[in-house]
Parts: sequence; C-alpha cells; structure tokens
Amino acid sequence: EIVLTQSPVTLSLSPGHRATLSCRASHNIDINLAWYQHKPGHPPRLLIYGASTRAIDVPDRFSGGGSGTEFSFTISSLQADDFAVYYCQQYDQWPPWTFGQGTKVEIK
Amino acid sequence: QLVESGGGVVQPGGSLILSCAGSGFTFRSDAMHWVRQAPGKGLEWVAVMSYDVKTDYYADSVKGRFTVSRDDATFFLQMHNLRPDDTAVYLCARKSGPLNTREGMDVWGQGTTVTVS
Repeated sequence: EIVLTQSPVTLSLSPGHRATLSCRASHNIDINLAWYQHKPGHPPRLLIYGASTRAIDVPDRFSGGGSGTEFSFTISSLQADDFAVYYCQQYDQWPPWTFGQGTKVEIK
Repeated sequence: QLVESGGGVVQPGGSLILSCAGSGFTFRSDAMHWVRQAPGKGLEWVAVMSYDVKTDYYADSVKGRFTVSRDDATFFLQMHNLRPDDTAVYLCARKSGPLNTREGMDVWGQGTTVTVS
C-alpha cells in the first residue's frame, strides 16, 4: 500500500500570502497524484491531477509539481475562499487508492 | 454533482444501503468510488466499481461486509455487519472513464452520514 504523508498538518497564513504544501509518497508513484480542496459541508473539489495539471475551471493561483515520491502544491496568493483542507491522493498503485491525512490551511 | 442518500442511524451489526445518483448527468461510462470521512478524520477510500460492472475492489477494513453495485443511473453501497468505526460521512466520486486509466476523482457528492451506535 502506498502511504502518503502530508506536511504541515496545519498552515496558518494571512490572505495574500503564499501557501506551500508537501506530499511524500512511500514508493515511486511517477506523476499519478491529485490534489483536492475540501470545505465542511461541501463536496471535495479536484484541483490538480497528473501532479501538475489544473482541472477544469481551477484558477492559476493553484499549482502542483513533483514526481516520484516528492510533491508540492502551491497557492500563490491566498484568497478568502481558499481556506480549507487540502488532500493529496495517489492513483498509481491500487487497490487501495490512498489519500494523505490532509493539510488545513487556516486564516492567521 | 453527485447526490448521495440512504444514511442514518443503525445499531452495531445492522445493515444499510447507500445510493448515489448524478444530478443532471449519468456516469454509465465511468468508474465510481465510495470514500468516507470519519468524524475529525481525513478521507478514506472504501470501494470502487468499474463502468462495466466487471471489476470491484474494497478496502481491507470493509472487505466481506460491504458490496458495491450499479445500474445505468445509480451507484450503490450495501453495508452489512456495521461496526461503530464505520461511522462516517460516505461520499461517492466519479473517476472518468475506465478503471485502469490513471486520473483523479473529478466529480463528488456532499455525502450522506452513517452513524453506528
């Protein structure tokens, strides 16, 4: 099973600041990684797939990078609507499909 | 968007059937997943079924107790022998196209709450 470890657990930042999240895979998953945004009471939203490709209608302030076992996700300038929990998820080796434990981006 | 239904409160050892339907679209050509989120926890994959119904997989934690099925418009999760640690919001999600094409889950529901107590 591929284990994904996200860091940090919580990121406290002010609007307008840059947020950088990390996701580390226990084994090589090439670029088969997605990032999701999840707000309470809302469906998770696919933001990035293929490690760096933005999904439809995702603003370009969201970006992803990395390959193999090290991945990053960046929000270039935090907007009020961006405060949420972000998950990485691998779809390289399954079953199971696995998620990281999440990073909460909160308002400082 | 996807819409889940069927959640509720059930005693340990009980059963429940969850449903997932597309709001304004069908998913007959897509693989479909169930994912759950226990209170205060992150997302946990539960089960998947291919578009052609030929393939399904389950998390070890639910294998032998949960079963997925689908028809043209609805995706189901049958849950038996429920345990308190199955308490969670259950969400369905679409993986566009065949199961073996490597892509993310691009359409999700808000979930339905299952409480085992």
